[in-house]
Amino acid sequence: ILNVEQSPQSLHVQEGDSTNFTCSFPSSNFYALHWYRWETAKSPEALFVMTLNGDEKKKGRISATLNTKEGYSYLYIKGSQPEDSATYLCAFSGGGADGLTFGKGTHLIIQP
Amino acid sequence: DSGVTQTPKHLITATGQRVTLRCSPRSGDLSVYWYQQSLDQGLQFLIQYYNGEERAKGNILERFSAQQFPDLHSELNLSSLELGDSALYFCASSERGGVNSPLHFGNGTRLTVT
Repeated sequence: ILNVEQSPQSLHVQEGDSTNFTCSFPSSNFYALHWYRWETAKSPEALFVMTLNGDEKKKGRISATLNTKEGYSYLYIKGSQPEDSATYLCAFSGGGADGLTFGKGTHLIIQP
Repeated sequence: DSGVTQTPKHLITATGQRVTLRCSPRSGDLSVYWYQQSLDQGLQFLIQYYNGEERAKGNILERFSAQQFPDLHSELNLSSLELGDSALYFCASSERGGVNSPLHFGNGTRLTVT
């Protein structure tokens, strides 16, 4: 069973502040790392797919970095807005027949 | 709208029964994934199909089975249901069989076993 850990579990951030959270995964046999945003009463929506060590991806105010050698990825949100409130999931694949393993997510609440 | 359709949205059934959950992937996507989300648990990977063939398998119980048909829709069959099988079951599709394509999720089927 692959261990994908996300921290913190939950996070309260003031509107306008920037924030970041972490996804840790096994550093051996890396194949891909995904980030998803999951809003209440909706289904998860893909943010980024990263495959190379050192990858940095950006989508508006949200960006992500990847370190496959040490087994972590950071997601950053700049200037948080209420609509950023959601659970952010990462998912790891070591290739092979293991599919894509999700972490339990970081639940982000933006306070006006 | 992700383009992935799951039916039914809700299902209530009794222990010992068998149910079938259906998923139509996004147009053009060849791969289908099934995930289970139980209370206080993350998304648990069950199984992946690519173009009709099983590609990857997670912690899927022997009482559960799935298949992907020639038209690429998929069905997840759950039998001898137990109370603990109550969960939200998600289907997701991706363009290719590898995991470097993003997943597009359906809205899920909420299964309640009484």
